[in-house]
Amino acid sequence: NAGVTQTPKFQVLKTGQSMTLQCAQDMNHEYMSWYRQDPGMGLRLIHYSVGAGITDQGEVPNGYNVSRSTTEDFPLRLLSAAPSQTSVYFCASSPPSGDPSSYEQYFGPGTRLTVT
Amino acid sequence: DAKTTQPNSMESNEEEPVHLPCNHSTISGTDYIHWYRQLPSQGPEYVIHGLTSNVNNRMASLAIAEDRKSSTLILHRATLRDAAVYYCILRDEDYGGSQGNLIFGKGTKLSVKP
Repeated sequence: NAGVTQTPKFQVLKTGQSMTLQCAQDMNHEYMSWYRQDPGMGLRLIHYSVGAGITDQGEVPNGYNVSRSTTEDFPLRLLSAAPSQTSVYFCASSPPSGDPSSYEQYFGPGTRLTVT
Repeated sequence: DAKTTQPNSMESNEEEPVHLPCNHSTISGTDYIHWYRQLPSQGPEYVIHGLTSNVNNRMASLAIAEDRKSSTLILHRATLRDAAVYYCILRDEDYGGSQGNLIFGKGTKLSVKP
């Protein structure tokens, strides 16, 4: 298994540009989520999904959109990039509630985004 | 959401045990205690979790106070590779829906000296 993969690893955007951060997992996990991590801080939840076709907002959803058309993919869209969105973005997945291993979230390697 | 309190940083010598404390005085009866760690320039990784009893796995041990208001992550022999930020997180026993989300604090930055 490749686990959780994220592309790109690095990205520089100008203010106002839009882009999509890609996240994919090959573990057939129902639960997926996006976090952002600012320097010296812990991770904050942006959006999450408990299954294909279902998404919900986390702690800091403004300026981001998500969709979940398949179990494997959970892209994060930045609608109009702002310097405040400069951060490292992590995608995570875990098995559904009731699965013996549902306690563990698996994280991708991250995408480092800079908005100038 | 129930919060946790951890020291900002700790130091250890290589091959010595490390005890990382966490206070969670407002923990509810259905909250599990989870520990994750984040190595430099990587995503977080699961370390261990428990509810009431002490837990052991290949990575670490988790000692939980009898009143559950505090816990300690124990690395039995620290290696240079254990240098990371360690996060203590409370998570409701129903991992589905919003209860499945992890709420990260700033964690404890562990430095390991050779």
